[in-house]
Amino acid sequence: EAGVAQSPRYKIIEKRQSVAFWCNPISGHATLYWYQQILGQGPKLLIQFQNNGVVDDSQLPKDRFSAERLKGVDSTLKIQPAKLEDSAVYLCASSLGQGLADTQYFGPGTRLTVL
Amino acid sequence: AQSVTQLDSQVPVFEEAPVELRCNYSSSVSVYLFWYVQYPNQGLQLLLKYLSGSTLVESINGFEAEFNKSQTSFHLRKPSVHISDTAEYFCAVSLSGGYQKVTFGTGTKLQVIP
Repeated sequence: EAGVAQSPRYKIIEKRQSVAFWCNPISGHATLYWYQQILGQGPKLLIQFQNNGVVDDSQLPKDRFSAERLKGVDSTLKIQPAKLEDSAVYLCASSLGQGLADTQYFGPGTRLTVL
Repeated sequence: AQSVTQLDSQVPVFEEAPVELRCNYSSSVSVYLFWYVQYPNQGLQLLLKYLSGSTLVESINGFEAEFNKSQTSFHLRKPSVHISDTAEYFCAVSLSGGYQKVTFGTGTKLQVIP
């Protein structure tokens, strides 16, 4: 089965520009996660979707970050405007359900550099 | 809120030697515990998890971890490492029951030396 797909793999932008990342989860997976992984730190959950509804976005900086999952399949994460501290790898993951017995499968990530 | 600590940022070990990667968690209630591995230029993969039952859990590639409630630890061990085990390992914790988000540690880079 195909894994979680993310694009682009790399992105370099200047501060105050906007950027968008795309994620296509494993087919049939109801739950989709976006994580931010800053260099030297573990992944931090930004937002979790169950189908097309938001389950948890408590750590999403809503003044500049937004995410959507239209039709409950693929998802986009947007940053507008970007700051230097947004430089990180953005990971997308999906799972069959939202219980913790359901394994999260991660995509390869998008490495964002903000100059 | 739960938290997890991985004290060792890097662990060098010779090939075929044993290794232990340490993980301690903080929580006043029941938890689920996970180890994820990230090979170079690849995404995170679940290595093993403890949800309930036997405190010793094993992965298919020879790693094992033991849940120790009194020590609040979930150390990862392998009796004999291989070059291919070179990767970054993340311990993660979540409160048990219902929906609870997973909190990751800062990771430990295992470098296997030939």
